[in-house]
Amino acid sequence: EVQLEESGGRLVQPGGSLRLSCAASGFTFSSFQMNWVRQAPGKGPEWISYISDSGSDTYYKDSVKGRFTISRDNAKKSLYLQMTNLRVDDTAVYYCVRGKLEMATILNPFDVWGQGTLVSVSS
Amino acid sequence: DVQLTQSPSSLSASVGDRVTITCQASQDISNSLNWYQQKPGKVPKLLIYDASNLEEGVPSRFSGSGSETDFTFTISSLQPEDIGTYYCQQYDDLPPDFGPGTKVDL
Repeated sequence: EVQLEESGGRLVQPGGSLRLSCAASGFTFSSFQMNWVRQAPGKGPEWISYISDSGSDTYYKDSVKGRFTISRDNAKKSLYLQMTNLRVDDTAVYYCVRGKLEMATILNPFDVWGQGTLVSVSS
Repeated sequence: DVQLTQSPSSLSASVGDRVTITCQASQDISNSLNWYQQKPGKVPKLLIYDASNLEEGVPSRFSGSGSETDFTFTISSLQPEDIGTYYCQQYDDLPPDFGPGTKVDL
C-alpha cells in the first residue's frame, strides 16, 4: 500500500525552528517528485514547497522562501522540511504529498497525501 | 501568479441532484487543472486531473471539463458521501495554487 507518514509537528514559539519528516512506503520513492502542502485552521490547502525526484531542483512559495528548506534522502525513503524563524501564520497542518507521475520533469497532480502533522506557532 | 476563482463558494443540494462548480483562471493554463475533494476532518483527495481525467477508483458520477481559463466540475447525482469542500488547483506554473474552495452540503 502506498503511504506517507509525517512526523515532527508540535507547539513552538515565534522565531523558533522545527524539522518535519515524512516516511514513504509502498512505492519507488526515488522516482517521484514530492511536495509539502499546508492547511491553516479553517482554510484551504496551500502548496509551499517542491523537490524533484533526485533532489536537484527545489521551489518554494514566496511566503516561506529563505525560512524553509525542503530536502530528501532517497536511500531512507524520506522527505524533510526544515523550518526556521517560524511565525504565527505558519500555524497549520503540514502534509507530505506525492506528484502523480514517475520520472516527471514538470509539475504534476498531487495523488497521494499523508495524514498531516500539526505545527502550532504561539507564545 | 495564476489566480483561481471558484463559484459558488457554497451550495446546498439534495441527494440525486446534479451539482456544478466552476473554476476560472486568471491566465491560460491549458488543461493543467485538478479537482480535489476534502471531506470534513479528512485529507484532500484527487478526483480529476488534467481538467477531465478521472483518477483511478473515483466514481464515474464525478467529471470535469474545460481548458485555458474556464473549467467545470460536475457531480451528476449527488450522494450523501459527497458532502465536503471541493478545490480546483492549477499546475501550469509555479506556485501550483489551489482555488478558495466550494463547500457542498445537503
